[in-house]
Amino acid sequence: AQKITQTQPGMFVQEKEAVTLDCTYDTSDPSYGLFWYKQPSSGEMIFLIYQGSYDQQNATEGRYSLNFQKARKSANLVISASQLGDSAMYFCAMREFYGQNFVFGPGTRLSVLP
Amino acid sequence: DTGVSQNPRHKITKRGQNVTFRCDPISEHNRLYWYRQTLGQGPEFLTYFQNEAQLEKSRLLSDRFSAERPKGSFSTLEIQRTEQGDSAMYLCASSLGTSDTDTQYFGPGTRLTVL
Repeated sequence: AQKITQTQPGMFVQEKEAVTLDCTYDTSDPSYGLFWYKQPSSGEMIFLIYQGSYDQQNATEGRYSLNFQKARKSANLVISASQLGDSAMYFCAMREFYGQNFVFGPGTRLSVLP
Repeated sequence: DTGVSQNPRHKITKRGQNVTFRCDPISEHNRLYWYRQTLGQGPEFLTYFQNEAQLEKSRLLSDRFSAERPKGSFSTLEIQRTEQGDSAMYLCASSLGTSDTDTQYFGPGTRLTVL
C-alpha cells in the first residue's frame, strides 16, 4: 500500500504568488515525522521542513509552512511569495518512529512563471 | 564543505561489470542511508547503517548489491554484474540518530548508466 500520496504531478504558479503542494499519508504508527524535500535539476535533495505527529503547531521555516491536518492525514506544503528558484521537484516523506528509513511520495514538479 | 559527499557523480558502465560508489557522511552523523531513485520517482530506501552495523536492508537490495561502512565513517555501495535495470540515481543520506526528528541530509547522488 502506498504510504505517501502526492496527487499533483505538476503545478504552475506565478512569481510572488503562494502555492500549496498536497501530501497525504497512511500509517498506523502513532508516532511519526513528516518531511518535505526540494530536488532541483542538479539532483540534490534539500531538506525544507519537518512536522512531528505530536507537534501542536504547524511547522514554519521562512517562506515554507506545513499545513498539518492529523485527522485527515494530510501535510500540505505552502510556499509563500514564490521565486523563480523555487522551480524544482518537491517530495513529501514520512518516517515512522519504529522504523528508520524514509518513505517518499512520487513528487510534484513545481514551475514558477515570471 | 561539511555536507554529504558522493563519488563519483556519474558512472557509465557496460552490462555485467561491477561498480562501486562511495559516500562520505556529515562527520558527526551516526546513521547513513542509501536510496535509489529512478526517473520521475521518489527515492526508494535500500539500506541503512548505525555506525558500522548494517541494521536494515530493503528487498530491493538483491544479492548483487552489497554495502559496507567498515569504520563507521564512509560507506561503499557495490553492484556486481550490473544490469540495465540498475540505471538510476543512487543517493546517500546521513543523520545524527540522536533525536526524534532525525532529519536526513542528502548528498548530490551518483548517477549510474548501464549500457
